[in-house]
Amino acid sequence: NAGVTQTPKFRVLKTGQSMTLLCAQDMNHEYMYWYRQDPGMGLRLIHYSVGEGTTAKGEVPDGYNVSRLKKQNFLLGLESAAPSQTSVYFCASKKERELYEQYFGPGTRLTVT
Amino acid sequence: EDKVVQSPLSLVVHEGDTVTLNCSYEVTNFRSLLWYKQEKKAPTFLFMLTSSGIEKKSGRLSSILDKKELFSILNITATQTGDSAVYLCAVEALTGTYKYIFGTGTRLKVLA
Repeated sequence: NAGVTQTPKFRVLKTGQSMTLLCAQDMNHEYMYWYRQDPGMGLRLIHYSVGEGTTAKGEVPDGYNVSRLKKQNFLLGLESAAPSQTSVYFCASKKERELYEQYFGPGTRLTVT
Repeated sequence: EDKVVQSPLSLVVHEGDTVTLNCSYEVTNFRSLLWYKQEKKAPTFLFMLTSSGIEKKSGRLSSILDKKELFSILNITATQTGDSAVYLCAVEALTGTYKYIFGTGTRLKVLA
């Protein structure tokens, strides 16, 4: 039982390049989330999903897109990376809408130059 | 606007000391408050506090929720160097759907 995994762990992009971050969970959780963590800002919600085939915008969605084609996977895409997207990205999952905690992945450190 | 504020921002103590971390919140449709410990990587879950569970304890860590005054505290007694981490507070609120609002965290350093 690996929990929540993220790929890749580190990435350096040039401005304007695109990439996809992959989050996978093996706990059969319904809810999945993408956050970014910046110094002094705490964790901010980018997008989330309440089930396979659904996605919704969070607090800071601009410049990102997501897809949840399979229940266990939640992909975060950057179509045209900008230096402001330099951050640590965390994926999290939660069993369902009832009172359960979120489980976090190990994070992806992304630098955009 | 929903917000969660943690204090202090950082704290340095010596092993054996007791620390109290604070989390105050202003959210609509409060559902739960969660504490996480973040060392180098992923936040790990400590406690969840709700209307029906306003006090939790696990070993040297304990937490209470005051729903009237809108705050929570996390206490760590007999601190150890392994307690050094960033402690995150998050409030789950119903804004369209259930979402979490995180504070910026308290960085705790425990010196040997």
